[in-house]
Amino acid sequence: QKEVEQDPGPLSVPEGAIVSLNCTYSNSAFQYFMWYRQYSRKGPELLMYTYSSGNKEDGRFTAQVDKSSKYISLFIRDSQPSDSATYLCAMEPSPSGSARQLTFGSGTQLTVLP
Amino acid sequence: DAGITQSPRYKITETGRQVTLMCHQTWSHSYMFWYRQDLGHGLRLIYYSAAADITDKGEVPDGYVVSRSKTENFPLTLESATRSQTSVYFCASCGREGLLYEQYFGPGTRLTVT
Repeated sequence: QKEVEQDPGPLSVPEGAIVSLNCTYSNSAFQYFMWYRQYSRKGPELLMYTYSSGNKEDGRFTAQVDKSSKYISLFIRDSQPSDSATYLCAMEPSPSGSARQLTFGSGTQLTVLP
Repeated sequence: DAGITQSPRYKITETGRQVTLMCHQTWSHSYMFWYRQDLGHGLRLIYYSAAADITDKGEVPDGYVVSRSKTENFPLTLESATRSQTSVYFCASCGREGLLYEQYFGPGTRLTVT
């Protein structure tokens, strides 16, 4: 079983819809939770990060972390065609020690139809 | 050009050949990383470097060699390429220890091993 599970989609929604993207994980040591956006033929770019549990909002994007359920979500409100991309979740344990690395989900491909 | 660049962007090579992928960043970031991205696996860490002359293995290091003689460069060498190394390779850099989520990714190198 992978440490981080993410539904690969593809997910297709009409413009203006609310999009929910999710990841589950098994490693309770994860403390930092990230969402990256990757456009086709490009490198990933950081969208949002959250430390521990709770919500974080940035414009149309909201990240939620539920550590008790080992479940994280990214919500996109008023989705736009420009949001069409692959969304990757990533996680990291508390930054200490020598084994510093992120664990990524496999990504969810999102298409927002005009 | 400022930022992080990778070369070549596309490469086709034969099984058994040695191939080197280049990564260059202009920010003087301490941390640099090499990932491979395969369908269904997301991003997997191959090697990373915390500073010049300091490198360490990631999740999937077998068949790869890295070096870092200068802060700005982090080449990845496939000593004897195999078909299973066909993938998209991303280099990334991060300037601040403890903030691995602030990784900036290059545009990727699409490698095909025939």
